[in-house]
Amino acid sequence: EAEVAQSPRYKITEKSQAVAFWCDPISGHATLYWYRQILGQGPELLVQFQDESVVDDSQLPKDRFSAERLKGVDSTLKIQPAELGDSAMYLCASSLPAGSGTDTQYFGPGTRLTVL
Amino acid sequence: GDSVTQMEGPVTLSEEAFLTINCTYTATGYPSLFWYVQYPGEGLQLLLKATKADDKGSNKGFEATYRKETTSFHLEKGSVQVSDSAVYFCALSLFSGNTPLVFGKGTRLSVIA
Repeated sequence: EAEVAQSPRYKITEKSQAVAFWCDPISGHATLYWYRQILGQGPELLVQFQDESVVDDSQLPKDRFSAERLKGVDSTLKIQPAELGDSAMYLCASSLPAGSGTDTQYFGPGTRLTVL
Repeated sequence: GDSVTQMEGPVTLSEEAFLTINCTYTATGYPSLFWYVQYPGEGLQLLLKATKADDKGSNKGFEATYRKETTSFHLEKGSVQVSDSAVYFCALSLFSGNTPLVFGKGTRLSVIA
């Protein structure tokens, strides 16, 4: 069964350092999402892509976060500089294109970020 | 704005007990409703979904019915197992194209033998 891949699974960094997370969605899934899940909370959207275009990044802290999906397949989320409050699980999800008849999102295993 | 409210945990049950986790929603449109499950250290797995009123989603013995009149989507299971211990998230999306999920805060379930 096809899965969403993410790496690394765990990342420990010091504040003010740069970190990057990678996501490879299920083949054929044009829509890709990055969510942030703070411990004890539900995930919240950071950015949504349709192919290589950003659809929604209204909740992305653009002063320090950036996201790209250059060829419309895999994606990278970057934080620079990292702050203590960025410690969280970063989840990537993908789904088939709009109009496909399903809106189910499939999640990867996540990257657990700890900022010291 | 759109939101999901689910019962706070943790919920602790004995094996074979009946489970209910309440979930209500507020949405400007006509949402699809989901239950996701998160096992320790893992990402979210879709448990079940329903896309219109009175639909019942079911999977692995879990069930939830889309109740538009009460804006609810309560999760139930007749007999829980230790392996069901996890965090359960209720979520909605407004299906007018692919839209982000709006999640509740999650309910931690612990099942003891």
